[in-house]
Amino acid sequence: GENVEQHPSTLSVQEGDSAVIKCTYSDSASNYFPWYKQELGKGPQLIIDIRSNVGEKKDQRIAVTLNKTAKHFSLHITETQPEDSAVYFCAASISNTGNQFYFGTGTSLTVIP
Amino acid sequence: ETGVTQTPRHLVMGMTNKKSLKCEQHLGHNAMYWYKQSAKKPLELMFVYNFKEQTENNSVPSRFSPECPNSSHLFLHLHTLQPEDSALYLCASSQEARTFYNEQFFGPGTRLTVL
Repeated sequence: GENVEQHPSTLSVQEGDSAVIKCTYSDSASNYFPWYKQELGKGPQLIIDIRSNVGEKKDQRIAVTLNKTAKHFSLHITETQPEDSAVYFCAASISNTGNQFYFGTGTSLTVIP
Repeated sequence: ETGVTQTPRHLVMGMTNKKSLKCEQHLGHNAMYWYKQSAKKPLELMFVYNFKEQTENNSVPSRFSPECPNSSHLFLHLHTLQPEDSALYLCASSQEARTFYNEQFFGPGTRLTVL
């Protein structure tokens, strides 16, 4: 089955700096990669996603890049703000399992004011 | 109520108790999911229901019993649990389970502690 690895497990940045979280996956059949943000006491919320036919996608301060050859994808947050502090999860979905997501172990991001 | 709601938010139970977790989605979706979230581990998919039919059971022990009476409600019945079952149990929903690129919307979870 699919195996998703996520690094780093914790990340601290100064407010205004950029944050990068990286994930690798094992199954080349995966072709949908969502990123979720989980704030304390809440369930994960989708913040951005990318499909395998696209190399990069951007939404304001958040961007995701995908390298299908190397089987890795990354989340980039620019101009970080304290409200960006949360746990971020990457996931990969394999086409022949429909909507089953395989999640990474999460990255706890702290933005220091 | 909007989105996906879960009750109770916190639950403490003994190993011999029987309890149930409830999930309700107000999004008009047809697929619902149970996940287990433990510290330092990836979210583990437990069950998937698509149009009230169970489509996935990821080798979950029989002490966890799901029930989906309609597309808006999902239950997880618990009995004779073990301390290692203590975790955050998340419910999610999506438009359909077998359609690709479907965003899953998560509830806030039930924090379960088994004594």
